[in-house]
Amino acid sequence: DSGVTQTPKHLITATGQRVTLRCSPRSGDLSVYWYQQSLDQGLQFLIQYYNGEERAKGNILERFSAQQFPDLHSELNLSSLELGDSALYFCASSEQGASTDTQYFGPGTRLTVL
Amino acid sequence: QKEVEQDPGPLSVPEGAIVSLNCTYSNSAFQYFMWYRQYSRKGPELLMYTYSSGNKEDGRFTAQVDKSSKYISLFIRDSQPSDSATYLCAMSPEGSSASKIIFGSGTRLSIRP
Repeated sequence: DSGVTQTPKHLITATGQRVTLRCSPRSGDLSVYWYQQSLDQGLQFLIQYYNGEERAKGNILERFSAQQFPDLHSELNLSSLELGDSALYFCASSEQGASTDTQYFGPGTRLTVL
Repeated sequence: QKEVEQDPGPLSVPEGAIVSLNCTYSNSAFQYFMWYRQYSRKGPELLMYTYSSGNKEDGRFTAQVDKSSKYISLFIRDSQPSDSATYLCAMSPEGSSASKIIFGSGTRLSIRP
C-alpha cells in the first residue's frame, strides 16, 4: 500500500458528462501529480500541485481542471467527456516536487466513457 | 518519434530465467533514470533509480545506463512468477521538476512457473 488513496475506483459515464476524481496524498507529502494512462499513450503527466499551488502543467486538456485543497487532497475535474477520455487516471504524491523525489502512486480510477 | 521508446512485449520467460528489459531515449539531457513496476490493476511503484551512467544492483535487480548509446536496461535474475508485471522506464533531466519525467509505455512481463 503506497499510502495514496483515490476514489472512486471505477467510474462509468456518458459522453458530455462531467466527473470528479479525488486523491488523498501520503501523510506529509506536499506535492500531488495527476497522470492519465491509456493503452496507446502510456503514462502521460497531466498536472502537478505543490502545497495548494499549481506547479506544472503537462498534456492536460482545457476540458480538464484540478485543484489542491488546504488539507492537501486534490481533485481532478473532467468535463464534456469524450470516448477518448476513457483511461486509467492515477494520482501520485511526493514530499517536495523534484524529479529525484520518489513518487508514490495511488491505485487509480478507471474511467469508462460510453 | 517518442523521447522514450520501450518495447511493449509481452515478454514470457520460464521461472528462473534472466530477464532483460530495455529502453532507448533521444534526449541527451536525461540524467536521472528510473524503473517502475506496475502490477495489474495497481499503480506504478518505483523499483530502482540511477544517476547518469553505470550500474546499480539491488537484490535480484540490476539497472544499467549507457549514456553514449542512450540505452538503459533492467536485468532480473532468478525470475519469479511474482515478477510478472508491467515494467516502465522513466527518465528526466538533472535538477528538474518531477513534471519533466518522461515515462516509457511499459513492457509486459510474464514469468511462467
